[in-house]
Amino acid sequence: LAKTTQPISMDSYEGQEVNITCSHNNIATNDYITWYQQFPSQGPRFIIQGYKTKVTNEVASLFIPADRKSSTLSLPRVSLSDTAVYYCLVGRLTGGGNKLTFGTGTQLKVEL
Amino acid sequence: DAMVIQNPRYQVTQFGKPVTLSCSQTLNHNVMYWYQQKSSQAPKLLFHYYDKDFNNEADTPDNFQSRRPNTSFCFLDIRSPGLGDAAMYLCATSSGQTNTEAFFGQGTRLTVV
Repeated sequence: LAKTTQPISMDSYEGQEVNITCSHNNIATNDYITWYQQFPSQGPRFIIQGYKTKVTNEVASLFIPADRKSSTLSLPRVSLSDTAVYYCLVGRLTGGGNKLTFGTGTQLKVEL
Repeated sequence: DAMVIQNPRYQVTQFGKPVTLSCSQTLNHNVMYWYQQKSSQAPKLLFHYYDKDFNNEADTPDNFQSRRPNTSFCFLDIRSPGLGDAAMYLCATSSGQTNTEAFFGQGTRLTVV
């Protein structure tokens, strides 16, 4: 499984864009990149997933360069409620893999 | 509507007394996972089932066992809980057919006294 490296923590203010970068140098050809959000005392929640280039949904964008050795989660105009831990996961859930392994995560703190 | 349900949300058990945590799903997913999450740490995978095939992580202590009697239910058995087993235990599911998202339950917070 590809090991991931993320910043331990980040601070931001309401209304700003936040970019969290994850390094995954050993990503395999069949691996996907998935980000989860976790609030205290809750289970992680899926945010976004991508394989290459750019993916956007209603809450975030995911940028993946051509070599796929890193990825950046972009949260536009964060609010206090975006304060959470964000996990980058690399792997696949099919083809006998079925592994979902979390890295250390990034604690995002949003202030007024 | 909750799709992955863990019961109970909070569980207190005595040191050394066997305890079972339960997880049910309404998604008909093939894969079910159990994670242990201690304070300020990332979730740590204990084991997972693909249908009835059990996959144990190499560093999961023997004290932790699991059962999956059918597609919908999965149980985590801690045979002799120690103080170090106090944690949040998370259950998750994935289809096993597509690389989409995994769904997590709210977790069970286990306290060992």
